[in-house]
Order: sequence, then C-alpha cells, then structure tokens
Amino acid sequence: GEDVEQSLFLSVREGDSSVINCTYTDSSSTYLYWYKQEPGAGLQLLTYIFSNMDMKQDQRLTVLLNKKDKHLSLRIADTQTGDSAIYFCADLESGGGADGLTFGKGTHLIIQP
Amino acid sequence: SQTIHQWPATLVQPVGSPLSLECTVEGTSNPNLYWYRQAAGRGLQLLFYSVGIGQISSEVPQNLSASRPQDRQFILSSKKLLLSDSGFYLCAWSARGSPSFGSGTRLTVV
Repeated sequence: GEDVEQSLFLSVREGDSSVINCTYTDSSSTYLYWYKQEPGAGLQLLTYIFSNMDMKQDQRLTVLLNKKDKHLSLRIADTQTGDSAIYFCADLESGGGADGLTFGKGTHLIIQP
Repeated sequence: SQTIHQWPATLVQPVGSPLSLECTVEGTSNPNLYWYRQAAGRGLQLLFYSVGIGQISSEVPQNLSASRPQDRQFILSSKKLLLSDSGFYLCAWSARGSPSFGSGTRLTVV
C-alpha cells in the first residue's frame, strides 16, 4: 500500500533554516500537504502543493516537490521557538477525500536557543 | 466560516468501560467526516469516515464504532474499552479541499 516516510526528529538552532524531508510511494498523488501539530493540539494545515508544481513559497515556508524522486520538503526560514512542533507530511491520492490521505509519522522539530 | 468542535479534551477511563467522543462541525453542509487515532510513534491512523448521515466506512476492524446521527455530528463509541485504545483521537472534516482537524481528545485507558 501507500507509504509516506519522514525522519522522526530534527534539531536546529533558532534563526537557522529548518528543512523537513518526506518521501512517498504513490504515483497517483494529486496534492501533498504539510500539517503542524503543537503539543496537545490538533493538526493545523500549514501549506500544500499540487502535484504538477515544483515549488511553492508562502512567507517563511518553502515547499519543494521532486515528483520524479517522490520527494517533498518543507523549508522554514529563520526558525523561531514558536515553530517547535510535529510536522506531518500527507499525500492525497487521486479521488480526493481524507480517506485517500496517507500521513507520515511526523517529524519533531526541536529548536535550540 | 467553518469550525469544528471536539470534546472532551482529555478523558481517563477504566478498562471495560464505555466510550463516547463527540464531534460537531459548524458553517458547512454535508461535510465528509473522519475519525483518526494518533498513537505515540505511529502517526495518524484513519479509523472511520462518513460521506453522509448514517453512512459509515470502517478502515480498521476493532472494538470501536462510529455513528453519524445528524449531518454535522460524528460520534466515536466503544462498548468496552481496552488498554490498547489509549491514544489521541482527532476528528476532521472536509468538503473538496484538505481536511481540517479538531483539537483532539487525549484518551487514557487505565
């Protein structure tokens, strides 16, 4: 079945850039999402990219998609303490609906002062 | 604008007791509704989804069940909780776009 892989932890210094990587296996992906989960809270949609795009930028966030290698990354510029959270990559198969979403296990972003 | 409410936020229940978690959505009609479970180190697992009143699809066989008595209400239930049911339960809704999540319920079965 469909699989989405992420590293479990990433540690960066405050002010540096964070790059969170994700690989997926589904060839029929339509959208790829990044969600943020702060401690004890639900998931908040951060950004998404359509599968025919290579890059999407939104303020401090840059999403890069390499469809050939099935690799997605989220870059957070000037990382702040408020960025400390778990970041989930999710892949939506063609057909839509959250029943078609596959989540990675999440990457814990740890910010060092 | 649409909002999703989920309660309670935390719950501690003994093994063998029943469970009822509720989720409601405001500001939209006929949403798709979902229950996910997040267990430590295991990511998000889709448990149930519903495309309409009374229509429930189960993704994972277990001792949990879901019901949708009204268009914007989704309930997760169990007759007898197991220790393995502990986790963080998230309700979500979607129309055509990405799903939006509730704030979650931390369930601890003791």
